[in-house]
Amino acid sequence: SAVISQKPSRDICQRGTSLTIQCQVDSQVTMMFWYRQQPGQSLTLIATANQGSEATYESGFVIDKFPISRPNLTFSTLTVSNMSPEDSSIYLCSVDGGSGYEQFFGPGTRLTVL
Amino acid sequence: GIQVEQSPPDLILQEGANSTLRCNFSDSVNNLQWFHQNPWGQLINLFYIPSGTKQNGRLSATTVATERYSLLYISSSQTTDSGVYFCAVELDDYKLSFGAGTTVTVRA
Repeated sequence: SAVISQKPSRDICQRGTSLTIQCQVDSQVTMMFWYRQQPGQSLTLIATANQGSEATYESGFVIDKFPISRPNLTFSTLTVSNMSPEDSSIYLCSVDGGSGYEQFFGPGTRLTVL
Repeated sequence: GIQVEQSPPDLILQEGANSTLRCNFSDSVNNLQWFHQNPWGQLINLFYIPSGTKQNGRLSATTVATERYSLLYISSSQTTDSGVYFCAVELDDYKLSFGAGTTVTVRA
């Protein structure tokens, strides 16, 4: 299984600011994803982070609000832009090795927006 | 889109008890995973089980893909089993769609 780290593990931010979350994997992986878990809720997919091209966003999520980078096969960033209290959530990255492989999740970034 | 329903939403157990969690899904899926989210928010992989039965210690899971459901069994529950259990189905392009989860509380 892949070892995934995220930075920061938690943060408290002011309304209107932006935060960039980093996801690092210890091996090259085909697929990387970003999920959001709002308080008391389940996980929702934000986007697929594509290596070398623009991310693919799910319905309800837009690039201006959640810009994503994936410069190589082991690293990705998610930025939460112009934050509001409604963005307070746990943000998790995940990796998938492809067909026949299970998906693994990072430890998450717990974001609180005041 | 696909619907993933988990039941029950909440479960309170006395230590040592057995339980069954259920996951129903509305369409054919490529694969299915069970996760345990601990109180610190970490998602722990339990089973990768597109079909059949698997066992890992006190936990086991069965997926009947043709009938679109999966079951997670917890035997001889311990307080460390507390947390939220999610099933997630794999759609095209390896995307996961999660159920709402079952919150399990095991009392000593």
